[in-house]
Order: sequence, then structure tokens, then C-alpha cells
Amino acid sequence: DAGVIQSPRHEVTEMGQEVTLRCKPISGHDYLFWYRQTMMRGLELLIYFNNNVPIDDSGMPEDRFSAKMPNASFSTLKIQPSEPRDSAVYFCASSRRAGHNEQFFGPGTRLTVL
Amino acid sequence: AQSVTQLGSHVSVSEGALVLLRCNYSSSVPPYLFWYVQYPNQGLQLLLKYTTGATLVKGINGFEAEFKKSETSFHLTKPSAHMSDAAEYFCAVSDQGSGNTGKLIFGQGTTLQVKP
Repeated sequence: DAGVIQSPRHEVTEMGQEVTLRCKPISGHDYLFWYRQTMMRGLELLIYFNNNVPIDDSGMPEDRFSAKMPNASFSTLKIQPSEPRDSAVYFCASSRRAGHNEQFFGPGTRLTVL
Repeated sequence: AQSVTQLGSHVSVSEGALVLLRCNYSSSVPPYLFWYVQYPNQGLQLLLKYTTGATLVKGINGFEAEFKKSETSFHLTKPSAHMSDAAEYFCAVSDQGSGNTGKLIFGQGTTLQVKP
């Protein structure tokens, strides 16, 4: 299995631009998670899906952030408009409920907003 | 609700010395416990996990952890540190307190520095 795939690996954009991060979970996994990691705040759970349905988006910082999962093999996290404080590494992870909730993480997308 | 506390945000050891990273958890049900490692500029990868059975769990790269219910602890150890062990380590518990939400609850992370 290829593992969790994220794209792009690096993104540099200017303030005000729209940013879309992409994730392909491991085939057969029920859950998909989006995390953000910064030096100041550590690892934060933004939103997660179960069977393509958003379950908990309480970690999404504000309305500028949105996430979708149109099918079991693809999810996006969109920031519009982006701000410098959104600069962080964004991780996608997936898991099977039957697997004791063990999560498998992607390599992350490093976002820099200038 | 489940929670995890990692004692010490930074731990520094000499190469060849014992590594001990502390993790205490709170759980209303028998927990599933995990240690993840994050090397620089990489994602988190599973080091080891405890679900049921033997309380001493062995993981990759010579790490092991012991589940101690009476102490609500799941400390990570390695007898002899190697320079390549320098990384950030996260303890996590499965969120199953009031129905399984499917989430993991992560600790704040501990950065391990290994000095030559």
C-alpha cells in the first residue's frame, strides 16, 4: 500500500490567495483526519470524517477554512483567503475503526503564506 | 473524557544512555495506547501500541513501553540512545470514553535530544 498521500508537499502563496491541500487516504480506511502543526500550538486536530461525512469540525479555526470529502479516496482542505498566520504543516491521517483507531499519517504539506 | 499528559517537553540524553519519556493518561475505559515518532520534516509514524494482553510492548528501533494500569502510565524507554533517535515523540490514547469517536487524543509531544 502506498500509504496516505498528500499534495502538494510544499506550497508558498501570498496573503489573500486561495490554497487547496489534497489527501488520498489508505484504501479501506473509514476515518480521515486533518491536523495542523506549528511550533506555537503543536499538533491540532482541525476536522475529521467518518465514511466521507464530517463528524467534528470544532477545530477549524475560522470560516476561511473548509474541508470536503467527496468520496472515500479523496479529501481537500481549503483556505480562502489565506493569511500569514496560516503558515504551518498540515497533515492528513486515516484509520480503520476496527484497528483500535491507529492512525496512519501522510508526509504533510508545508504551507507558507507571505 | 480521555486525556494524555507527557511530562517534559524536552529531554536530553547522551548517546548510549537510557531514554525515558513519560506519558500518563486518563481513561474511563480500558485504554488503547500509542507512541508515535516524528523525525524532522516528516509525518508521524507509529512506534508501538498497546491494545490488550502483554503489558510490555516492544516497538521499532529498540523502543519499548510498559502499560501500568495502577499508575495510569505508558512510559517509553530505550536502553541505549542513538543519535538517530533525536525526534519528537507523541503519546496518544484512543478516544473511547463515551462511545468510540474514532479519534486519538495526543499528548503535547516530547522532543528528544541526543548528545554525542
